[in-house]
Amino acid sequence: EAGVVQSPRYKIIEKKQPVAFWCNPISGHNTLYWYLQNLGQGPELLIRYENEEAVDDSQLPKDRFSAERLKGVDSTLKIQPAELGDSAVYLCASSLGKTSGETQYFGPGTRLLVL
Amino acid sequence: GNSVTQMEGPVTLSEEAFLTINCTYTATGYPSLFWYVQYPGEGLQLLLKATKADDKGSNKGFEATYRKETTSFHLEKGSVQVSDSAVYFCALSDRGDAGKSTFGDGTTLTVKP
Repeated sequence: EAGVVQSPRYKIIEKKQPVAFWCNPISGHNTLYWYLQNLGQGPELLIRYENEEAVDDSQLPKDRFSAERLKGVDSTLKIQPAELGDSAVYLCASSLGKTSGETQYFGPGTRLLVL
Repeated sequence: GNSVTQMEGPVTLSEEAFLTINCTYTATGYPSLFWYVQYPGEGLQLLLKATKADDKGSNKGFEATYRKETTSFHLEKGSVQVSDSAVYFCALSDRGDAGKSTFGDGTTLTVKP
């Protein structure tokens, strides 16, 4: 079974440019998460989807970040315009449901460097 | 709000040494607890979990016991190997809002031959 797929793996852009990340979750997983991971820190939730509905986007900086999950399957996270402080790893994860004991399955992440 | 505090790293051990990585949590409810491991260049993957008090999660020789009275979930392994070198993250999942997870900052383990 294929795991969570993310692309690109690495991205280098200049500040003020737009950037987009793509995630394809494990087939059948209804819940999809986007996390931000800064160096030396744990993942911090940006947005969580249940199917196509964003159920928790309280930590998403909506002035420059946007996300969508069309048809409740794959998802795109966009930053426009990017700032130097956005340099980090962006992780996508999925889980079968939303019960408390549910395991999250993570993709390899997209490492973003903003110059 | 919820929080997870992990023992600061990095931790460096010799092969076959005993490992303990401390993890304590603060939660408003009664969460599920997890240890995830991240190998170089890879995403996080579940190592073990426990969903209720006194449960012991175990996998690949690692163990952790859900201690409600001390709000802890310490990770242990009796004899580490070089291949265990990775970053270990303690995490909790809120039972009230089950999709909401909180992660610790990770502990980097290096095992030397």
